[in-house]
Amino acid sequence: DAKTTQPPSMDCAEGRAANLPCNHSTISGNEYVYWYRQIHSQGPQYIIHGLKNNETNEMASLIITEDRKSSTLILPHATLRDTAVYYCIVRASSNTGKLIFGQGTTLQVKP
Amino acid sequence: DTAVSQTPKYLVTQMGNDKSIKCEQNLGHDTMYWYKQDSKKFLKIMFSYNNKELIINETVPNRFSPKSPDKAHLNLHINSLELGDSAVYFCASSLASGGHNEQFFGPGTRLTVL
Repeated sequence: DAKTTQPPSMDCAEGRAANLPCNHSTISGNEYVYWYRQIHSQGPQYIIHGLKNNETNEMASLIITEDRKSSTLILPHATLRDTAVYYCIVRASSNTGKLIFGQGTTLQVKP
Repeated sequence: DTAVSQTPKYLVTQMGNDKSIKCEQNLGHDTMYWYKQDSKKFLKIMFSYNNKELIINETVPNRFSPKSPDKAHLNLHINSLELGDSAVYFCASSLASGGHNEQFFGPGTRLTVL
């Protein structure tokens, strides 16, 4: 699975959009981009995934560049409860389900 | 109704002891996982079972032995506990191992070895 690079930390004002970037320049054609987050002292939580088209669900939007070398997770109206570590993970659908977590981005939402 | 549950939530024990952590999922999933999160917060997969069959076995010491009595349960037994085993252990489950099945994580078991 391709490696990902994320900034270690970011701040966001409550109510504003949080844009979390991820680089995955070695991504292969059959690999998807997944986002999970881990709120303090809890287990990780799935947010969204995508291949090449932009995706949106009730939690977030995922924007993947045309060359697929990077992506951005958007939380449209961040709340204090969105403070967490956000992990960008690349994996192929054929693999055994193994998720390889990097260091992630610690998002601090401030009042 | 908790989807993925783990017991105990906290476990404090002495070096050399043997302990078990239990995991149960009520989602009807076929695949279950154990992950370890160390003191530096790195989260790493240890094992995965699909329909009670071991499909992932990362480089984990033999002292760690997973057991899946049925699809809804995946237990982790640790022999001869060492200081370095202190970590938070997360159980997870997914509908299947391949495809795009999201993984649902339990609340974690914090193991402290003294």
